[in-house]
Amino acid sequence: DIQMTQSPSSLSASLGDRVIISCRTSQSVTTNLHWYQQKPGKAPKLLIYRASTLPNGVPSRFSGSGSGTDFTLTISSLQPEDFATYYCHQSHSPPLTFGGGTKVEI
Amino acid sequence: EVQLVESGGDRVQPGGSLRLACAVSGFPFSDYWMHWVRQDPGKGLVWVARINSDGSSTSYADSVKGRFTISRDNSENILYLQMNSLRVEDTAVYYCVRASDSWGQGTLVTVSS
Repeated sequence: DIQMTQSPSSLSASLGDRVIISCRTSQSVTTNLHWYQQKPGKAPKLLIYRASTLPNGVPSRFSGSGSGTDFTLTISSLQPEDFATYYCHQSHSPPLTFGGGTKVEI
Repeated sequence: EVQLVESGGDRVQPGGSLRLACAVSGFPFSDYWMHWVRQDPGKGLVWVARINSDGSSTSYADSVKGRFTISRDNSENILYLQMNSLRVEDTAVYYCVRASDSWGQGTLVTVSS
């Protein structure tokens, strides 16, 4: 099974800060790595797919990079609506797996 | 607009069964692989199962293998998850997911005596 190591598990940040979240996989997933944002009581929302592609409607302050085993989600300037939990997810091979999540707090 | 609407969640005793359904609309259902993902209250996301576009191939998490069955009806645009021999640790919100990009709102399954 592909293990996911997401860091940090939580962070405190201020409005306007640049935030970087890392995700490492135990073996290569090429670019089959996706990022989600989840707010309390809501379903996860896709932020980045295939490591670096922004879906329509996702603000450009979000960006993703990486391939193979090391990936990064960057929020260039934190906005009030960005306080949430973020998950990485590999769809390269079953069993599909998720990172443990990063809670972004004020 | 892509929509995925889960139903069937309930409270059930250990050893019981439930069938979840996910009705989809707004996209060609038969073109997409589909997944079930669950989330324990207050915890992280766990992939449960997936099915290919025509239903001929399935995969399961080890924790549910042999107990859960994923299936689909492409004529009715519905995804299913048959859950048998339910355990307390199966308690979670279950999400229907399209190919890792679109999620339903979830349905709560509670296994408790």
